[in-house]
Amino acid sequence: GENVGLHLPTLSVQEGDNSIINCAYSNSASDYFIWYKQESGKGPQFIIDIRSNMDKRQGQRVTVLLNKTVKHLSLQIAATQPGDSAVYFCAENKGNSGYSTLTFGKGTMLLVSP
Amino acid sequence: AAGVIQSPRHLIKEKRETATLKCYPIPRHDTVYWYQQGPGQDPQFLISFYEKMQSDKGSIPDRFSAQQFSDYHSELNMSSLELGDSALYFCASSLGLAGQEDTQYFGPGTRLTVL
Repeated sequence: GENVGLHLPTLSVQEGDNSIINCAYSNSASDYFIWYKQESGKGPQFIIDIRSNMDKRQGQRVTVLLNKTVKHLSLQIAATQPGDSAVYFCAENKGNSGYSTLTFGKGTMLLVSP
Repeated sequence: AAGVIQSPRHLIKEKRETATLKCYPIPRHDTVYWYQQGPGQDPQFLISFYEKMQSDKGSIPDRFSAQQFSDYHSELNMSSLELGDSALYFCASSLGLAGQEDTQYFGPGTRLTVL
């Protein structure tokens, strides 16, 4: 696939562990953040989003934390499963026109061992 | 649920040839975005359209052009192809909610290989 991991930070966990993937963003004016999951050879898949007026949002097995002070975003995956193995990207809305042009951060490859 | 459709899924071209990639957004989505993703890289925004008008422009080479049609599908035209254009090209669509969170949903991508 496209994400062969040669240039990506990698997080290796055991099945059942909790995973935390971190992301630093660049634009303090960004007001909307999204986490995407990308499996090899596939398009990015929406996981969870958060607006800048929040510092935490929970979904099913996933939680996103936003720290605007240090411009840091994290994705927590509870009870990680082999099917969670993929590259995870954070993206920030840096649109100039009012529409959501996304700037992606560097991905993190998550490897889950059974 | 219906997703973003891209065609073709795979495309092989020679240097200096042209290529046309097509994108069919999710029904009722009037905004489309094009991204380029090289091996091991994050997706890079190329261009977007809202209601058939260009809404934003990123790092799209002058050799590339795109448009959105009356049925909201979009085409990315690439001319004078170079080896470095080999990449995955993704289209995403959204409802076009200006000023609000406007989630983009991605298609499966077109893998372009330039020989």
